[in-house]
Amino acid sequence: DIQMTQSPSTLSASVGDRVTITCRASQSISTWLAWYQQKPGKAPKLLIYKASNLESGVPSRFSGSGSGTEFTLTISSLQPDDFATYFCHQYHAYPIYTFGQGTKLEIK
Amino acid sequence: VRLVESGGVLVQPGGSLRLSCAASGFTFDDYTMHWVRQAPGKGLERVSTISWDGADTYYGDSVTGRFTISRDNKKNSLYLQMNSLRIEDSALYYCAKDFGSGNYFDYWGPGTLVTVSS
Repeated sequence: DIQMTQSPSTLSASVGDRVTITCRASQSISTWLAWYQQKPGKAPKLLIYKASNLESGVPSRFSGSGSGTEFTLTISSLQPDDFATYFCHQYHAYPIYTFGQGTKLEIK
Repeated sequence: VRLVESGGVLVQPGGSLRLSCAASGFTFDDYTMHWVRQAPGKGLERVSTISWDGADTYYGDSVTGRFTISRDNKKNSLYLQMNSLRIEDSALYYCAKDFGSGNYFDYWGPGTLVTVSS
C-alpha cells in the first residue's frame, strides 16, 4: 500500500503567518492528492484536489502544489478560522485509499 | 448535498451493528460512496467503498470478512453491516461521497459514533 507521511505533526503559528505543510508518498501518485481541513467535532472539509486545484468556496489563501511523491499545502496568511487539523489523501491507488496522519495547526 | 449517518451505539465485543447514511441533494446512484472512520484522537481510515450500482465493493484489510457495505439507490441510502466487532473498531464513522468514481471525497457527513466495549 502507498504510505502517506505528513510533516510536521504539529505546527504552531500566529495569525498572519505563512505556513506550509508537507505530504510525502511512498511511491509516485502523480497529482492524485487531496487536502482536507478538520475542526474538532466536525467532518473533514475538502480544500484542494488534484494536488493544486482549489475547491469552490475555499479562500484563495490556501494553495497546493507538488507531483509524484512530494506535495505541499500552503496558507499564505493565517486567519483565526484556519487553526485546525489538515490531512492529505492519495487516490491514485484506487480502490486503496490512504490518508496522512494529520498536521495540527495551533495558535502560537 | 447532505449526508446523515445513523446507527452508532455502544456494543459489546463480538457484537453486530448496522450503520446507515441518508443522502440527499444529489443524484445518489451516479456516485461511488465510502465509509471512513476516525478513532478518538487518530487519523482517517477508509473502511469500505461501493460503486454506483453496488456491483463493486472494497474493504480495508482491518475489516475484510467482518464488514459488508451495501446501498439502496431507490432509498438514497448507504449501509455498513458490522459483525464480529472488536474494541479497535471504536471510532466515529463517516459516510463520504466520491467526486465521481475512484476520486477524492467531496462531501462528508457529520459521522456516527461506534463504541465497542464490555
